[in-house]
Amino acid sequence: GAVVSQHPSWVICKSGTSVKIECRSLDFQATTMFWYRQFPKQSLMLMATSNEGSKATYEQGVEKDKFLINHASLTLSTLTVTSAHPEDSSFYICSAREGLAGNQETQYFGPGTRLLVL
Amino acid sequence: AQSVTQLDSQVPVFEEAPVELRCNYSSSVSVYLFWYVQYPNQGLQLLLKYLSGSTLVESINGFEAEFNKSQTSFHLRKPSVHISDTAEYFCAVSDGYGGSQGNLIFGKGTKLSVKP
Repeated sequence: GAVVSQHPSWVICKSGTSVKIECRSLDFQATTMFWYRQFPKQSLMLMATSNEGSKATYEQGVEKDKFLINHASLTLSTLTVTSAHPEDSSFYICSAREGLAGNQETQYFGPGTRLLVL
Repeated sequence: AQSVTQLDSQVPVFEEAPVELRCNYSSSVSVYLFWYVQYPNQGLQLLLKYLSGSTLVESINGFEAEFNKSQTSFHLRKPSVHISDTAEYFCAVSDGYGGSQGNLIFGKGTKLSVKP
């Protein structure tokens, strides 16, 4: 149980294009989803937190117009990197937390999406 | 503010040897503690967690961690490692689950390399 998928697993795009990454909770309803970014040989940096049906909360320093997050259902959140540039190349990881009592504390992570912007 | 310190960035060890990956945290409130494992080019997998109750928690693959409140530590141990345990291990702390609480703060990670 508690499986989170991401699609695509990797993507290469040209500078200036937009890229959408999907995050799905496959066997549970995720009231909250998180988006992280991981640079090589570094830890995860939280980008934003999204609750189903409401606007995402972005961490300081993360441009909300650059990284659009939509959490339209309890099983799907999307991250769109708009007008991507080479510096946006990174490993993006989502996580999901279910709302059931007794398991609200644990985040389950997706396998990550590697983005390379040329 | 909460923070997590993983003192060792890399830990090389021979197969079947014991290992301890250290994690210390700072927090002014009660915390939940987690260890996640990340294999190359993959996302994070939950290894074990401490929420309440027994301070010693175990995973299904032989790892264990002990919550020590007085020392603010949550070190991860395994008595005998395998080659397949080679991965990066992240310690994380959360102060709750609702609203603005419940975000995970990660340590910088410890890369465990198991050599034959």
